[in-house]
Amino acid sequence: DIQMTQSPASLSASLDEIVTITCQASLDIGNWLAWYQQKPGKSPQLLIYGATSLADGVPSRFSGSRSGTQYSLKISKLQVEDTGIYYCLQHYSAPYTFGAGTKLELK
Amino acid sequence: EVKLLESGGGLVQPGGSMRLSCAASGFTFTDFYMYWIRQPAGKAPEWLGFIRNKANGYTTEYNPSVKGRFTISRDNTQNMLYLQMNTLRAEDTATYYCARRSPTSYVMDAWGQGASVTVSS
Repeated sequence: DIQMTQSPASLSASLDEIVTITCQASLDIGNWLAWYQQKPGKSPQLLIYGATSLADGVPSRFSGSRSGTQYSLKISKLQVEDTGIYYCLQHYSAPYTFGAGTKLELK
Repeated sequence: EVKLLESGGGLVQPGGSMRLSCAASGFTFTDFYMYWIRQPAGKAPEWLGFIRNKANGYTTEYNPSVKGRFTISRDNTQNMLYLQMNTLRAEDTATYYCARRSPTSYVMDAWGQGASVTVSS
């Protein structure tokens, strides 16, 4: 199985701060990488697909990037509504695997 | 509006069986791959498998962690997705989500609200 190593596990940041979350794939998955945000008691919501493409309705302060097998999600100006848990997902090869998650809180 | 609504969760004894259902609406069901994903409380989601669309013969793929115990099926006349779970174990306790795969992004773009399954005696 492809392992997705996500970091950090938790993160506390201030309003308007830039936040970056990363996922390292255990092998080359190309751009078959998505990012999800999950609020308490809710299902995950798609933010980014294809490593860098913004999903419909997602604010432009979210962006995704790739460097080799390392993938990053960046929030350019943190807002109150951005708190939650973020997961990466590789869907290059079955079984598709999620990162362990990053819990993002406001400082 | 795309809607996915799971049902059928609850408490089941170890070794027992349970079938989850997912009612889909707001899109042409037969055009979409459909997925099941589960998430134990406080942990990351786990992809369980999918069933392909009409164009790809409604074939299935499973996570080896559940292959042979879980079966994904669909009733395209009723726009329903199913997950049959057999020989359940305590570690199958989780919230189970159905989701559809976007034909453009090839990733799950709409999820249900989840159904809770507890395996305990």
